[in-house]
Amino acid sequence: QKEVEQDPGPLSVPEGAIVSLNCTYSNSAFQYFMWYRQYSRKGPELLMYTYSSGNKEDGRFTAQVDKSSKYISLFIRDSQPSDSATYLCAPAASGTYKYIFGTGTRLKVLA
Amino acid sequence: DAGITQSPRHKVTETGTPVTLRCHQTENHRYMYWYRQDPGHGLRLIHYSYGVKDTDKGEVSDGYSVSRSKTEDFLLTLESATSSQTSVYFCAINEEGTDTQYFGPGTRLTVL
Repeated sequence: QKEVEQDPGPLSVPEGAIVSLNCTYSNSAFQYFMWYRQYSRKGPELLMYTYSSGNKEDGRFTAQVDKSSKYISLFIRDSQPSDSATYLCAPAASGTYKYIFGTGTRLKVLA
Repeated sequence: DAGITQSPRHKVTETGTPVTLRCHQTENHRYMYWYRQDPGHGLRLIHYSYGVKDTDKGEVSDGYSVSRSKTEDFLLTLESATSSQTSVYFCAINEEGTDTQYFGPGTRLTVL
């Protein structure tokens, strides 16, 4: 079993839809949970950062962490064509300075 | 933008030749990382550094070496490039205090 798993997609949705991107992990020591957005031929850029369980909202984006089921989600409201990218989840344990990345989910938002 | 640049941005080389990729940062971060990204595998850690002359291996370090003689520069060397090392290479820094990583723009390497 991989430490971090994501459905690779592609996930195609119409503009304005609510998007749910998900990630599962196996290491219960993970406490930090990051989501990165990567446009084609670009480096990953940090989108959301959450510590421990719960929700965090930033504009149209909401990150949700359920440590009991080792499941993390990223919700995008009112999706736009500019949201078309690959989304990578990256959980981490405190103090390890080493990060495990999911393979990413490719999202296409259709105008 | 965490002030990270990578050079070269693109390189085509032949099997058996040495290749060095450079990562440069301007904000004095202690931790620096080299990843490779391949379809179906995502980002995989090659090596990382936690200070000048302090480096450690990641999960895919075979065939790669690194050096860090200055805080701002982290070099990745392929001693004898192979076709399996064709990939996109990303450098990253760790922002201390938040434990978040920021990435450079990447180097696209093709080994023929």
